[in-house]
Amino acid sequence: ETGVTQTPRHLVMGMTNKKSLKCEQHLGHNAMYWYKQSAKKPLELMFVYSLEERVENNSVPSRFSPECPNSSHLFLHLHTLQPEDSALYLCASSQGSRDRATDTQYFGPGTRLTVL
Amino acid sequence: GQNIDQPTEMTATEGAIVQINCTYQTSGFNGLFWYQQHAGEAPTFLSYNVLDGLEEKGRFSSFLSRSKGYSYLLLKELQMKDSASYLCAVLDSNYQLIWGAGTKLIIKP
Repeated sequence: ETGVTQTPRHLVMGMTNKKSLKCEQHLGHNAMYWYKQSAKKPLELMFVYSLEERVENNSVPSRFSPECPNSSHLFLHLHTLQPEDSALYLCASSQGSRDRATDTQYFGPGTRLTVL
Repeated sequence: GQNIDQPTEMTATEGAIVQINCTYQTSGFNGLFWYQQHAGEAPTFLSYNVLDGLEEKGRFSSFLSRSKGYSYLLLKELQMKDSASYLCAVLDSNYQLIWGAGTKLIIKP
């Protein structure tokens, strides 16, 4: 247990569906992240929030829409996804300290998403 | 472009020692992380190196050579539970984490 939980753990959806992924951290951290992990590929950073404000968006398609209502919760809203979006979606959190060099990220177990 | 290279897969024997290498070419360097990820689970932090040399933590050690753009993770007295993927990540000059694709380590009895 890393103190970061994600639901659901598995999700199968059609291309016309709308679904949301949820992440919650119990570590008192100020920064939260969404990553995409595809087989045999590096982790891809999608979004970063610090103190509930989005600070980075790495050119992610608009069919992915993040929401951070408070520093403990992070959502990823999904709509009209493509089969190539099938992957493991990981949430992480960190203290968001000024010393970013040691701002270790703690990951949740991920949501395995399959788009049919 | 920025690049992190590590072997895709390695196999080792229980009780032995294994070294997982990571080479990097990044725009700047602010440290290198190693994470462990068991299948279906969250990546978990193992180590952080920012200065050259070897850092030891129990059975795991991590080495860094900034001049060579090279790091390795050394696992001693291998146990079956060490079967996992090991992810190397570098913090670049913009404090962005650049990730390798991970090395899948298979431990055989």
